[in-house]
Amino acid sequence: KAGVTQTPRYLIKTRGQQVTLSCSPISGHRSVSWYQQTPGQGLQFLFEYFSETQRNKGNFPGRFSGRQFSNSRSEMNVSTLELGDSALYLCASSLMDRSTDTQYFGPGTRLTVL
Amino acid sequence: DQQVKQNSPSLSVQEGRISILNCDYTNSMFDYFLWYKKYPAEGPTFLISISSIKDKNEDGRFTVFLNKSAKHLSLHIVPSQPGDSAVYFCAASAKGGQFYFGTGTSLTVIP
Repeated sequence: KAGVTQTPRYLIKTRGQQVTLSCSPISGHRSVSWYQQTPGQGLQFLFEYFSETQRNKGNFPGRFSGRQFSNSRSEMNVSTLELGDSALYLCASSLMDRSTDTQYFGPGTRLTVL
Repeated sequence: DQQVKQNSPSLSVQEGRISILNCDYTNSMFDYFLWYKKYPAEGPTFLISISSIKDKNEDGRFTVFLNKSAKHLSLHIVPSQPGDSAVYFCAASAKGGQFYFGTGTSLTVIP
């Protein structure tokens, strides 16, 4: 079974630009969660999508948004990029219940904002 | 507000000895806890979990202990192997809620 894939793996943008990251979950998984990982902060939860609906949201500004398609693939968008948005963005998929099912993580997208 | 804390950023252990990684949490509503291992350039991979109805869960060389009264979680690796060198994250959630992750502990197992 193929794992979680994320594209692109690396991205360099400048302040003020916007970016879209993509995540393809494991086949059959319906829950997709996004996390931001920065040094010293661990993994910070961004949001979770299930059946095309945002089911839970972390404490991030409205510049961070996402969506999920009918095939469970998910995209995350960050508008008006700031230097502090430089981070590793991870997506994780699980079967149904994010809080008890095992989450499988993708390799992440490394975003650098200059 | 960091609800899950890993106060040791790094740990070095000799091969064959026990590695003990610690994690503290503040939210008494958390009822499900996990440990993940992360190698460079890869996403975290699930290691072991424990629900709040248990105080111990074992899987091969890995054992997780939960002390609910102290709001403390620990991961024991016995015996430690060089391939265990990685960053370890603990995570906690309440039913239906998001996962909160610690900041990670970098384990180095010295051959």
